Amino acid sequence: AQKVTQAQTEISVVEKEDVTLDCVYETRDTTYYLFWYKQPPSGELVFLIRRNSFDEQNEISGRYSWNFQKSTSSFNFTITASQVVDSAVYFCALSEVYNQGGKLIFGQGTELSVKP
Amino acid sequence: DVKVTQSSRYLVKRTGEKVFLECVQDMDHENMFWYRQDPGLGLRLIYFSYDVKMKEKGDIPEGYSVSREKKERFSLILESASTNQTSMYLCASSLTGWNEQYFGPGTRLTVT
Repeated sequence: AQKVTQAQTEISVVEKEDVTLDCVYETRDTTYYLFWYKQPPSGELVFLIRRNSFDEQNEISGRYSWNFQKSTSSFNFTITASQVVDSAVYFCALSEVYNQGGKLIFGQGTELSVKP
Repeated sequence: DVKVTQSSRYLVKRTGEKVFLECVQDMDHENMFWYRQDPGLGLRLIYFSYDVKMKEKGDIPEGYSVSREKKERFSLILESASTNQTSMYLCASSLTGWNEQYFGPGTRLTVT
């Protein structure tokens, strides 16, 4: 069965620290996609990244970077030099294509608190 | 930019009322979704639709129905609201099943 595990429920850091959010997934599919979303206190989920199962290259976008390792079924997210505005709940998700549609399997989320 | 809008940010209804939650997307996306989000339970998929008039049950469809008469609009219906349906409801859309989903701002529904 498809499953996404975010073992860290809450993380608290001080501004400018680097922080890594862990994501481990389970799937029997050979083709799948992984995602990260940010949910700030306002409540709206914001899409951050989509990565397909055939592309294990790491990705960097500003202070954000993602490390995808198929060998360990992990897709970890690192924020470098964290800022207070990074405080949010972060969700990792795995796609499951179902009939002609598709649905996301979400992890439970990691609440990140960045203190000044 | 993709825009997903939901009809209300906050809604208070009484037990037994019929409740309609509306969602509209403006990017001609094929797929639309309804989730509910509860503390400690994460996001749970209620229903999704991959085409007009097509719908598929998600993980927790009981007590809900949906309607998709037009491509841009996906409605969630609570036939007879109950207090255990008090929750945050999130709508999303995606171009195809493989693409990222874009979410609306959410509707916080309270059933008293």
